[in-house]
Amino acid sequence: IAGITQAPTSQILAAGRRMTLRCTQDMRHNAMYWYRQDLGLGLRLIHYSNTAGTTGKGEVPDGYSVSRANTDDFPLTLASAVPSQTSVYFCASSDEAGGKPGELFFGEGSRLTVL
Amino acid sequence: DAKTTQPTSMDCAEGRAANLPCNHSTISGNEYVYWYRQIHSQGPQYIIHGLKNNETNEMASLIITEDRKSSTLILPHATLRDTAVYYCIVRLNTNAGKSTFGDGTTLTVKP
Repeated sequence: IAGITQAPTSQILAAGRRMTLRCTQDMRHNAMYWYRQDLGLGLRLIHYSNTAGTTGKGEVPDGYSVSRANTDDFPLTLASAVPSQTSVYFCASSDEAGGKPGELFFGEGSRLTVL
Repeated sequence: DAKTTQPTSMDCAEGRAANLPCNHSTISGNEYVYWYRQIHSQGPQYIIHGLKNNETNEMASLIITEDRKSSTLILPHATLRDTAVYYCIVRLNTNAGKSTFGDGTTLTVKP
């Protein structure tokens, strides 16, 4: 059972470069989310998508963009990376249409360092 | 979403029950209490949730006070692998991703 797969696992990136973090789920969940977690702190929501074709802004959306072309994929793009975007990024999904609404399933994270 | 307050850290002896408290005095009538944990460097993991009745599953028990202003997560027989950060979240059971993760409680299970 794969669940949520994130790639890359870790990446070192020069400031100003563009970067896309990939997230794929195989559970057919309608809702997907991106969080960032800075060292020693809790998770903060960046963007979310309640269903394919729709996206919304979370708590800390600036500098990030997302797309949801289909149910399974929810990539997160940093158009021009800055050092303050150094963080661990977690993708998550939930089955809001049935099953267990409200239960989040997380990937294993992508550790991004911007120099 | 209602704000929650948790102790920063707790210790527990291996094999003993770990009782993790959470205060949520501003909880509204249709908000649920969710618990997640995050083992070092891994993605958070769902543990349990409840509305007003006590709940139990294979991982833990959740005790919610009658006024719903606080709750306790109970790990009945803590093991070293239960060492993690435990997050208490209060929210509606929709729009799960809009959960507000605070700093949680760091539980250290000691041999």
